Amino acid sequence: IAGITQAPTSQILAAGRRMTLRCTQDMRHNAMYWYRQDLGLGLRLIHYSNTAGTTGKGEVPDGYSVSRANTDDFPLTLASAVPSQTSVYFCASSDSPMTEAFFGQGTRLTVV
Amino acid sequence: KQEVTQIPAALSVPEGENLVLNCSFTDSAIYNLQWFRQDPGKGLTSLLLIQSSQREQTSGRLNASLDKSSGRSTLYIAASQPGDSATYLCAVRPLSGGYNKLIFGAGTRLAVHP
Repeated sequence: IAGITQAPTSQILAAGRRMTLRCTQDMRHNAMYWYRQDLGLGLRLIHYSNTAGTTGKGEVPDGYSVSRANTDDFPLTLASAVPSQTSVYFCASSDSPMTEAFFGQGTRLTVV
Repeated sequence: KQEVTQIPAALSVPEGENLVLNCSFTDSAIYNLQWFRQDPGKGLTSLLLIQSSQREQTSGRLNASLDKSSGRSTLYIAASQPGDSATYLCAVRPLSGGYNKLIFGAGTRLAVHP
């Protein structure tokens, strides 16, 4: 089934550790996004990529980095995790600003 | 700054009722508006996408309208079923600041009881 695959599904991580959340899409969409969802704060954009080879900062980029080496993959890295990064992380993609955005199933990350 | 508000925050209805979920946004300069459904502990499922030039979109028992000038959208669910229970989110894609951002409302949590 075509769509977005995120891994892992959930993770408990010690503070200070490095972690990469994986995201792969098979729809050949140009744009990809990372959001975090927190109770009371809703969904907020962390980083985005309009096309392979380009990335940009969203609303809450601090503490996170991304890369877009090819069309399909958009990993999100936490260089040194902190408890405030405990959240549910969603990867999304769309072909253009005029088309639907599709979301993955999310990664539930707990930093302790 | 674009802000998206959804009212009500929560709604509980008996099965079979027709219902309306509301979404308002402060800046009418948008590419489009998208409605999503989110089940507990799950990802977002796209329901309907309305372009800024459109007035409404329909999919099965769902109908979404858009009044861009007044900054409002409604999601109409006909003959609600217990399986419709979920959180419904609306999101706008603004024209300014790049199209890379979807700005979300906080959602309406819907419970349909038998």
